[in-house]
Amino acid sequence: KNEVEQSPQNLTAQEGEFITINCSYSVGISALHWLQQHPGGGIVSLFMLSSGKKKHGRLIATINIQEKHSSLHITASHPRDSAVYICAAIDGYGGSQGNLIFGKGTKLSVKP
Amino acid sequence: EPEVTQTPSHQVTQMGQEVILRCVPISNHLYFYWYRQILGQKVEFLVSFYNNEISEKSEIFDDQFSVERPDGSNFTLKIRSTKLEDSAMYFCASSGAGERTQYFGPGTRLLVL
Repeated sequence: KNEVEQSPQNLTAQEGEFITINCSYSVGISALHWLQQHPGGGIVSLFMLSSGKKKHGRLIATINIQEKHSSLHITASHPRDSAVYICAAIDGYGGSQGNLIFGKGTKLSVKP
Repeated sequence: EPEVTQTPSHQVTQMGQEVILRCVPISNHLYFYWYRQILGQKVEFLVSFYNNEISEKSEIFDDQFSVERPDGSNFTLKIRSTKLEDSAMYFCASSGAGERTQYFGPGTRLLVL
């Protein structure tokens, strides 16, 4: 059974700081989602990646399939980045679909 | 931009009652999912659905749960006889053919009293 672990569980940063959230998983996967969950509960997909690195604005996600590890970085953090960031592994190999196995999330709070 | 919608946003029900949670996936998507998140816990997979049948379901998805795509646009989750422990946020998601990114709806917060 695949387990997805995230660290840290909670993170407080000052505005402008560089932030890193880590995710590791126990079994091979086909791809991995980084998701953002707002205080109201809604979930937004930030990235889906299966290799290398992706960048969107101030967000960067990397994955190392061999090491079973992914990181989400936020550059020049801002209070509006405050949210829960969730790593979710797409179970299984091959094909294009798979069910998500979620980490517990990292609660980020960025102070002005 | 197309989005997944869910209704209702909140539902309160009495234990033992049936509830139906509704989702409208993105129109050209073919794969549909239900997830739930009990307050303070991580999101958990319930069921996936493709080509008018269940592709996979978790151990949570017992005989009290069912899913249906009654027409070309809606995707529903029915809980036949709700229990207190069914109280959670329920998320619907969809993805397109050949695409692994899943798009989430805003969720339905279910409270069973």
